[in-house]
Amino acid sequence: EAAVTQSPRNKVAVTGGKVTLSCNQTNNHNNMYWYRQDTGHGLRLIHYSYGAGSTEKGDIPDGYKASRPSQENFSLILELATPSQTSVYFCASGVSGTNNNQAPLFGEGTRLSVL
Amino acid sequence: GDSVTQTEGLVTLTEGLPVMLNCTYQSTYSPFLFWYVQHLNEAPKLLLKSFTDNKRPEHQGFHATLHKSSSSFHLQKSSAQLSDSALYYCALRLRNSNNRIFFGDGTQLVVKP
Repeated sequence: EAAVTQSPRNKVAVTGGKVTLSCNQTNNHNNMYWYRQDTGHGLRLIHYSYGAGSTEKGDIPDGYKASRPSQENFSLILELATPSQTSVYFCASGVSGTNNNQAPLFGEGTRLSVL
Repeated sequence: GDSVTQTEGLVTLTEGLPVMLNCTYQSTYSPFLFWYVQHLNEAPKLLLKSFTDNKRPEHQGFHATLHKSSSSFHLQKSSAQLSDSALYYCALRLRNSNNRIFFGDGTQLVVKP
């Protein structure tokens, strides 16, 4: 069954610390995405990837890095976490193609609190 | 540029009344359109997607019709249920090599008894 797994599910970090959020998909999807969700802002795209070794900046990339070491794994890295990065983070995977209307699949989310 | 607009941030209605959530889009290529539903403290889940052959998608009593002439993909249901209370996102994926997904800001639907 298609799945996107995020870890950890909950994280408390200190200001200035490094945080790594991990995402694994078993769907053989080329594309993976990191979003954050805050009340009043909907889903905002941070970084995305077309495949292993590629990362692209989304709409709000400042303060975040991404890594795609393999087809299955996509990490979001906060080198110096700040309280403004307290949020719920969602990873998603999806396909591309002109004739494939398969929708992106989301993970269950990671709730991050930066104190 | 490519974008999705959901004009209502909050829709409140009484159980049993019809639901219509608006979604319009702007795209340089004929896109795929999706509706996602997100219940409290859960992940967004796919509710409906547009088809390549103009079929009208339906799921859990919801349906949506892609109107290319008006660039719309409104979500409708004939009779709202309490369990329909959730956050609804309209999303767009281009058919070209650009793999971006564009989401609207979401519409919070609250169904009251």
